[in-house]
Amino acid sequence: AQTVTQSQPEMSVQEAETVTLSCTYDTSESDYYLFWYKQPPSRQMILVIRQEAYKQQNATENRFSVNFQKAAKSFSLKISDSQLGDAAMYFCAYRSAKSGGSNYKLTFGKGTLLTVNP
Amino acid sequence: DTGVSQDPRHKITKRGQNVTFRCDPISEHNRLYWYRQTLGQGPEFLTYFQNEAQLEKSRLLSDRFSAERPKGSFSTLEIQRTEQGDSAMYLCASSLEAGSSYEQYFGPGTRLTVT
Repeated sequence: AQTVTQSQPEMSVQEAETVTLSCTYDTSESDYYLFWYKQPPSRQMILVIRQEAYKQQNATENRFSVNFQKAAKSFSLKISDSQLGDAAMYFCAYRSAKSGGSNYKLTFGKGTLLTVNP
Repeated sequence: DTGVSQDPRHKITKRGQNVTFRCDPISEHNRLYWYRQTLGQGPEFLTYFQNEAQLEKSRLLSDRFSAERPKGSFSTLEIQRTEQGDSAMYLCASSLEAGSSYEQYFGPGTRLTVT
């Protein structure tokens, strides 16, 4: 079974600064998808960024980028020019690329609570 | 496209009562998922549907839980004889598995409190 570990329960960053959230995962599969989701307080979870394991190039979405290290099974999220609206719980998630059965489910880490200080 | 919606947003019930939650996915999405999130944890998978067929259930889904997706549109999750341990946020997500599209889009959740 796959597991996802987020070792930082809480992080804080000054507005306009850069912060990196860590995520490691364990899998025996070679093809899979990785995601970062953002869950603001009392609001719904939204997808921040995704990465396909077969792609060597790290994904970027505006101020958000990832550092995907497949051999190390590491998938960190970098937020540049942090804004007050970035304050939220961030979840790292894994999904198998195989078809069928439970392969479509997302496996989440426990999350990292990000505080942005003005 | 109005996103995934869930109803109710909050439910308080007494132990032993039955509760039912509804999820309306994004209209063209063929897959629908239910997750449970307890305080301080990430969401945990419960079950998923492809169209109207329930194809996978987690061992977390005890026999007190039942889910349906009639006609492959909205879904309901029913919990019978609720227990205090059922208190959690119940999240619904949907996806369209086609080509390079596979992301799951989440609803706002239903927060259940069992007293």
